[in-house]
Amino acid sequence: DVKVTQSSRYLVKRTGEKVFLECVQDMDHENMFWYRQDPGLGLRLIYFSYDVKMKEKGDIPEGYSVSREKKERFSLILESASTNQTSMYLCAIGPNSNQPQHFGDGTRLSIL
Amino acid sequence: EDQVTQSPEALRLQEGESSSLNCSYTVSGLRGLFWYRQDPGKGPEFLFTLYSAGEEKEKERLKATLTKKESFLHITAPKPEDSATYLCAVISGGYNKLIFGAGTRLAVHP
Repeated sequence: DVKVTQSSRYLVKRTGEKVFLECVQDMDHENMFWYRQDPGLGLRLIYFSYDVKMKEKGDIPEGYSVSREKKERFSLILESASTNQTSMYLCAIGPNSNQPQHFGDGTRLSIL
Repeated sequence: EDQVTQSPEALRLQEGESSSLNCSYTVSGLRGLFWYRQDPGKGPEFLFTLYSAGEEKEKERLKATLTKKESFLHITAPKPEDSATYLCAVISGGYNKLIFGAGTRLAVHP
């Protein structure tokens, strides 16, 4: 079974804090993705990585950065959290082919 | 611009009442269309992949079909445990980037 583990299910932080969300996979897939999901807007791609130390901007990268130092781990960083970053954050993995992505269970992040 | 539109936004069915969910897409060169199921508070769970027009996939009460412009997810004799949000996505560009529709919230009542 594919396993994508996100470090926290629920997280509450304050405005201005630096926030780290972690994602770990056990499938040795090249590609890893970070999405946010908001009611009525669906899943939107923030950043993705196709190899260690490589990253590409998705559709909504503003206010976020990422880090991939090891193949199995992909981190999403909120440099200075703001209330409009309150959302469900989903990590996904996928091989370098036309195969489906597989998702973790998400982190519900609240910024107060 | 690649785009995915799902309809209806929400669907309420009685147990045993069959229906279909629609996913219309606009993409330059379809390389794959995916259906996912998402339960509240969980990540999307992969259901099906479709690659070419005319292709069909089945799993229990679900059947996915694909044409050149849209995909349907047919639900036959649904049960309350089929209640979930169903998401459709297409591959866009390189590195297997996905474009998602907003989803259909399905509620099946006993």
